[in-house]
Parts: sequence; C-alpha cells; structure tokens
Amino acid sequence: NAGVTQTPKFQVLKTGQSMTLQCAQDMNHNSMYWYRQDPGMGLRLIYYSASEGTTDKGEVPNGYNVSRLNKREFSLRLESAAPSQTSVYFCASTPLRGQKPYEQYFGPGTRLTVT
Amino acid sequence: KNEVEQSPQNLTAQEGEFITINCSYSVGISALHWLQQHPGGGIVSLFMLSSGKKKHGRLIATINIQEKHSSLHITASHPRDSAVYICAVRFTPTNKLIFGTGTLLAVQP
Repeated sequence: NAGVTQTPKFQVLKTGQSMTLQCAQDMNHNSMYWYRQDPGMGLRLIYYSASEGTTDKGEVPNGYNVSRLNKREFSLRLESAAPSQTSVYFCASTPLRGQKPYEQYFGPGTRLTVT
Repeated sequence: KNEVEQSPQNLTAQEGEFITINCSYSVGISALHWLQQHPGGGIVSLFMLSSGKKKHGRLIATINIQEKHSSLHITASHPRDSAVYICAVRFTPTNKLIFGTGTLLAVQP
C-alpha cells in the first residue's frame, strides 16, 4: 500500500494563478482532510470530507475549494493564489470511526510558495 | 477557543538522556494523539490515547484525563529521535483534531 500520496511535492505560483493539489489514499478510508502548516503555528484544518460525497469547511477555508472525487481522492484548489497561502499543505485520512487503528495517516506534504 | 499547549517549544538533549515532552488541553476530549515530524518530512502517528499509558519501543505516552495533561517520554534518546513532536487532541463533540505547535527536539551525539 502506498498510503496517502500527494502531488506535487513542490510548487511555485505567481499571485493570481490557480492550481489544484491532488491527494489519494489506498487504505479504503472514509474521511479525508486538508491541513496547512505554517511556522510557529499548529496544523490548521482547511477542509475535510467525512465520507464520499460530503465536504465541510474547517478552521481556515477562505481562498480554497475542495472536491471529493471518489472514496480515494480529495483535491484542494486555489482559484487565485495569494502570498498568504504560502505554506506546507498536508492531506490526511482516517478509517471509519470504530475501526482500528482510528488514527490519521498523513501524506508527505506539498510545499507551496506564492510570489 | 479550544487550545492545545505543548512544552517545551525547543529541547536539546545529549544522547542517552531521558526526555519528556508535555501537552495540556483545555476541554474534554475523546482522544489524544502524539505525532512525529522529521525535518522536511511527513508526519507519522506515534500514539493515540484515551486513557492510561502506551509504550512502543523506547517511547512511552501517558495521559491524565482529570488533569487534562499528557506526556511523551523517550528513554535512552538517540540522534535519530531528533524531530518535531506534535500533540493533537480530538475534541468532543466536533471530532476534529486540534494541533499543538510542536516541540523541536535535537539529540546530540
């Protein structure tokens, strides 16, 4: 199993450009999450999908959109990138609650710089 | 606002030392996670606790629900333990994870 995969690993955008971060998991997990990690701050939830077909806003959703394409894939889109979106982005997934181990599995991260 | 606090923020230790990292939180939780992040690397789950104590190799995690406090201990520390250790709590009833800012550990040979 590859676990949680993310593409790309690195990206540089100019202000106003758009892009989509891709995430996929092969563990048959129900829930998927997008976080951003900034220096001096804990990971913050951008959006999550509790199950296929549903998405909900997290703590910092402004400037982002998501799509839960199917059970495996959860993408994050920046429609008009801003320098404040420079960050490291992590995708994560968890199994159905009650299944063990009920832990979050993280992807390797995408380092995004917006100039 | 729910809050998770970790201490210390930075920790330098000599190889072989016993290390303790602390995490405190403000309200009731359903579970607490300890995660490890290596420089430039991804995030790996070490433990998930809802009560008591868990041990895996040289790592031990404890939680005191009444005091709203958890500790991560590393025995016989090694330079390869150098990483950021992150505490995250799953608050009831939102079920979302709230993360601490992490503890940067450097173990020197």
